[in-house]
Amino acid sequence: EAGVAQSPRYKIIEKRQSVAFWCNPISGHATLYWYQQILGQGPKLLIQFQNNGVVDDSQLPKDRFSAERLKGVDSTLKIQPAKLEDSAVYLCASSLGTSGRGGTDTQYFGPGTRLTVL
Amino acid sequence: AQSVTQLGSHVSVSEGALVLLRCNYSSSVPPYLFWYVQYPNQGLQLLLKYTSAATLVKGINGFEAEFKKSETSFHLTKPSAHMSDAAEYFCAVKGNTPLVFGKGTRLSVIA
Repeated sequence: EAGVAQSPRYKIIEKRQSVAFWCNPISGHATLYWYQQILGQGPKLLIQFQNNGVVDDSQLPKDRFSAERLKGVDSTLKIQPAKLEDSAVYLCASSLGTSGRGGTDTQYFGPGTRLTVL
Repeated sequence: AQSVTQLGSHVSVSEGALVLLRCNYSSSVPPYLFWYVQYPNQGLQLLLKYTSAATLVKGINGFEAEFKKSETSFHLTKPSAHMSDAAEYFCAVKGNTPLVFGKGTRLSVIA
């Protein structure tokens, strides 16, 4: 089966510009996650969707980050305006389950988008 | 709340030697525990997971981990390292909150 697809793979922008990342999960997966992975650290969850509803966005910096999952399939994560500290790899993952925050379904990760903010 | 501590940001072993990557967790509820591997410029791949069944969990590529509640540990082992095992390894814990990852351990395998 096809894996989680993400684009672009790399992006370089100036601070205060805006940027958007796209993710297409594995077909049939109800749950989609966006993670931020700063160099030297483990991934940190930004937002979790179940179908087209938000399950958890407690760690999403809502003043500059936004995400949507229209129609419950693919998703877009946007940063506006970007700051230097947003430089990171943005990982998208998906899982089959529909058990909300408590699920232990295996998460399948995409290759990530490496963002550099200058 | 949950947290994970991975002891050693970098571990180096010789090819054929035992691999031991350490992970200690903290959780206010019975935890689910995971090990993921990340190869350069790739996403994370699940190696194995503990979900309260058998305490010794076997995963892909010959890796296994043992859940020890008394020690709050979930160390990852492999009897014989292979060059292809060189990668970043992440331990993660989940309770009633989203998955929380450790900072990772980079494994180098020396020929």
